Amino acid sequence: EADIYQTPRYLVIGTGKKITLECSQTMGHDKMYWYQQDPGMELHLIHYSYGVNSTEKGDLSSESTVSRIRTEHFPLTLESARPSHTSQYLCASSLAENIQYFGAGTRLSVL
Amino acid sequence: GQQLNQSPQSMFIQEGEDVSMNCTSSSIFNTWLWYKQDPGEGPVLLIALYKAGELTSNGRLTAQFGTTRKDSFLNISASIPSDVGIYFCAGQPRDSNYQLIWGAGTKLIIKP
Repeated sequence: EADIYQTPRYLVIGTGKKITLECSQTMGHDKMYWYQQDPGMELHLIHYSYGVNSTEKGDLSSESTVSRIRTEHFPLTLESARPSHTSQYLCASSLAENIQYFGAGTRLSVL
Repeated sequence: GQQLNQSPQSMFIQEGEDVSMNCTSSSIFNTWLWYKQDPGEGPVLLIALYKAGELTSNGRLTAQFGTTRKDSFLNISASIPSDVGIYFCAGQPRDSNYQLIWGAGTKLIIKP
């Protein structure tokens, strides 16, 4: 069982608010990822990190930003949320064998 | 960019039936992974495949790494209601730096 945690599980906020989605893992994995997924649809990589102080943008353009100050922590921030940001956000981590372990996700609704 | 073609997109089956789904790519992959996602949850790894021709089972699930290294198959035998969900394939391309390419998912629905 993977030890990767995302908070909050659900978030409903108004347009223009700044939000941070938290992701933490206790497995000591170097690599961490953020995906955006609409319900029942495919996963789109929006950010990834290969280690502390390393962050890269994924295939899907996103207005969000990430940071990796500690190995175990990979938060995602939206400076000004909009309704188009409504989606599920999944965090994952992996070691060298490339198996990605996922958190339960944060379901974001922007009104 | 690289893509995986996963089929079928959805399946309606009777309880007890066997299920087959597959993923194909135009590129060679080093690793194939199969995940299942329940509603409102993150994907959970079912089976990992690392060698061409490899056949691996996990209970009623069996997956194979295609011999061409461009495809993979997942079979579920004697389906039960808790098999309902979305099944995703994911592969690591030969020239990848640890990123995965994801299929669009196969939604499994069991007919009442």
